[in-house]
Amino acid sequence: DAMVIQNPRYQVTQFGKPVTLSCSQTLNHNVMYWYQQKSSQAPKLLFHYYDKDFNNEADTPDNFQSRRPNTSFCFLDIRSPGLGDAAMYLCATRVGRVGADGYTFGSGTRLTVV
Amino acid sequence: AQSVTQLGSHVSVSEGALVLLRCNYSSSVPPYLFWYVQYPNQGLQLLLKYTSAATLVKGINGFEAEFKKSETSFHLTKPSAHMSDAAEYFCAVSDSPLYGGSQGNLIFGKGTKLSVKP
Repeated sequence: DAMVIQNPRYQVTQFGKPVTLSCSQTLNHNVMYWYQQKSSQAPKLLFHYYDKDFNNEADTPDNFQSRRPNTSFCFLDIRSPGLGDAAMYLCATRVGRVGADGYTFGSGTRLTVV
Repeated sequence: AQSVTQLGSHVSVSEGALVLLRCNYSSSVPPYLFWYVQYPNQGLQLLLKYTSAATLVKGINGFEAEFKKSETSFHLTKPSAHMSDAAEYFCAVSDSPLYGGSQGNLIFGKGTKLSVKP
């Protein structure tokens, strides 16, 4: 089935050690999102791509970067993870510019920082 | 700017009872509205959406929601709760760029955790 796949499901990293989370999609959607979700909170948008156009939220820390080498793949790089970056990271996709379709989410990557 | 407010961070019902999760929106343009469900350690799954067609929207797993413009509400209901409905539910609103809004990004409410008692 067409879907959004996030790897790994669980990631443990050391304080300050760079980590990369990956997302792939078989839906051929042109919009891809990265959200951060802390325990019992709503997802918080970090950034999104509309095709190759990168859109960074104003309050996304510089510690967070993203790459989208092609339509199918998108990566979240955390350059120096802190304890406060421990969270569930959700990737989502959407087709088109009009917001009528909603998103398709991956299963998320739960990041632990030790 | 668009926003949603979910009343009640935690709702508890008995199995077989009515489920009612409340969502009010704020929007200066006709909104697109969504309900998502999230099970523990999972991503979000779309339950249903309102995109200016029928005001009563039916979704998956027996859920439905009614868009009421006069009340700026989009409450989620299910006639009879199952144990498997225990999860967190998020209401969300999306801009439509046809009206000069954003790129259709979703704005989420804070979520309502539903517990179902046997």
